[in-house]
This record gives sequence, C-alpha cells and structure tokens, in this order.
Amino acid sequence: DAGVIQSPRHEVTEMGQEVTLRCKPISGHDYLFWYRQTMMRGLELLIYFNNNVPIDDSGMPEDRFSAKMPNASFSTLKIQPSEPRDSAVYFCASSSFFEKLFFGSGTQLSVL
Amino acid sequence: GESVGLHLPTLSVQEGDNSIINCAYSNSASDYFIWYKQESGKGPQFIIDIRSNMDKRQGQRVTVLLNKTVKHLSLQIAATQPGDSAVYFCAETNGGSQGNLIFGKGTKLSVKP
Repeated sequence: DAGVIQSPRHEVTEMGQEVTLRCKPISGHDYLFWYRQTMMRGLELLIYFNNNVPIDDSGMPEDRFSAKMPNASFSTLKIQPSEPRDSAVYFCASSSFFEKLFFGSGTQLSVL
Repeated sequence: GESVGLHLPTLSVQEGDNSIINCAYSNSASDYFIWYKQESGKGPQFIIDIRSNMDKRQGQRVTVLLNKTVKHLSLQIAATQPGDSAVYFCAETNGGSQGNLIFGKGTKLSVKP
C-alpha cells in the first residue's frame, strides 16, 4: 500500500493567488481529514469527510478555504485568495472507522 | 516582525536508556487516546493507542499508560535508539465525537549516541 499521497510536496505562491492541494487517501478508508500544522498553533483539524461527505468543517479558518471530495480516492483543499498567514504544512490523513489516522507527507505551503 | 514559534518541551536521553514522554489531556470525557511520532519533514505516524477502559497497553518497545484520575497520559520507550528522535504528539477524542481528534503541542525527543 502506497499510503496517503499528497501533492504537491512544496508550493510557493504569491499573495492573492489560488492554491490547490491534493490528496489520495488509502484505498478502502472511509474517513479523510485535512489538517494544518504551524509552530504557533500545532496541528489543527480543518475539515473531515466520511464516505465523501463533509461532516465537520468548523475548523476551516474562513471562506477563502474550501475542500471537496468528488470520489473515494481524491480530495482537494483550495485557498483562494491565498495570504501570507496561510503559510503552513497541510496534511491529509485517512482512516477506517475514524480511528488510527494515517497521514500523508504533507504540503509545505509558502505564501509570499 | 518575525513571529515567535511555539517552544516545544524537549527531552534529551542517552541511547539505550528508557524515555518517558508525558501528556496532560483536557477533556475528562475523552475515551480514546493515540500517540503519534513525527520525524522532520514527514507526517505524523501512528505509534500506539489506548481506550479509556484500560490503564496500560504495550507495543513493541513502547508502553502507554493512562491515568484518568489526573487526566494524564504517558509514552514509555524502552532502549531508546537514535531513530526514535522525533516530535511525539498525544491526541484525544473529544467526548468520542468522530473527527474531534485533539492533538497536544508535542514533545521533542533527542537521543544522544
């Protein structure tokens, strides 16, 4: 099993640009999570899906952030427009029955 | 100005010694706890979990202890190796609600050869 696959690995963009992060969960997992990690705030849950349906998006910082899961094998997290304070590492994770999350390697986002 | 990063607690141990990493959790209703290990440049990796109906659980070289009375969780690593150097996070479910996995701030473990 290849694990959770995230792309791109690194993203550098300018303020105001649209950013799209991608995630392929582990096959057969029912849950998909998007986390953000910063030194100041640690790991924060942004949103999670169950069977492709968004269940809780209360962690999404503001309307500039949106996430979709069109099918069981793909999810995106979009930031439009991006701001410097969005700079962080964004992790996608998946799991069966919610427990034991398996994380991807993350996307290091830098907004200049 | 430059933002100040969160200061992580650091534990430094000698190779071969045992390590104990502590975590205080916040919600007395939490019923499931997990320890994760995060190496530099990688995502968190599951180590071991424990449910609230248990006090202790052992894995390979790792043991998790749960004290619900004082809301305390610990991770013990036996015969610590250089490859154990990482940041360790405890996580709790908030009242059992799915998705509300709350992560602690982490402890950095450094293993001296």
